[in-house]
Amino acid sequence: AQRVTQPEKLLSVFKGAPVELKCNYSYSGSPELFWYVQYSRQRLQLLLRHISRESIKGFTADLNKGETSFHLKKPFAQEEDSAMYYCALSGHNFNKFYFGSGTKLNVKP
Amino acid sequence: ETGVTQTPRHLVMGMTNKKSLKCEQHLGHNAMYWYKQSAKKPLELMFVYNFKEQTENNSVPSRFSPECPNSSHLFLHLHTLQPEDSALYLCASSHPVGTKNTGELFFGEGSRLTVL
Repeated sequence: AQRVTQPEKLLSVFKGAPVELKCNYSYSGSPELFWYVQYSRQRLQLLLRHISRESIKGFTADLNKGETSFHLKKPFAQEEDSAMYYCALSGHNFNKFYFGSGTKLNVKP
Repeated sequence: ETGVTQTPRHLVMGMTNKKSLKCEQHLGHNAMYWYKQSAKKPLELMFVYNFKEQTENNSVPSRFSPECPNSSHLFLHLHTLQPEDSALYLCASSHPVGTKNTGELFFGEGSRLTVL
């Protein structure tokens, strides 16, 4: 069965420190992976997707099929990165998306 | 208004009431979704519509009844709910399968439902 696991509910780091938000998945086929973000008082929105191999706001994520992981990383956290982060997966047809329970990132000054 | 709009933003209802949640999008999308977000749980996919046709029902109880009259509007009719149905209900839209879909979902702000 498909499942997305985000083991950390809360992650606190100081400004300028590296940050890594963990995401592990289980899926019977070859998944597409995404990170969504929800800033305070804003709606949930796409941050990045693995198929684009892009870096958004300094964040990157590498799909590791061997470890079935898609961890989100940023070398130097900023206070404005404080938000809820959700890992999500879909099949190739993008018809169904499965989300993790989210990790709250708190970047302290 | 552009984007995905949900109304009402907050709803309190008794277990015997009948109410509806509304979702509207003017992004030109033809796929629409209902998700349930409960405290400390992952977002749960409830229903998926593509070109007004329901393509996914994720084993949702019949007390939740979706309706998609056109590609811009999606409703969730609520009847004889239980207190455990209290949650944030999120609507999302996207391009449908096989077209310009890049896997991005566009979410509304949600309707916070409390069942007494």
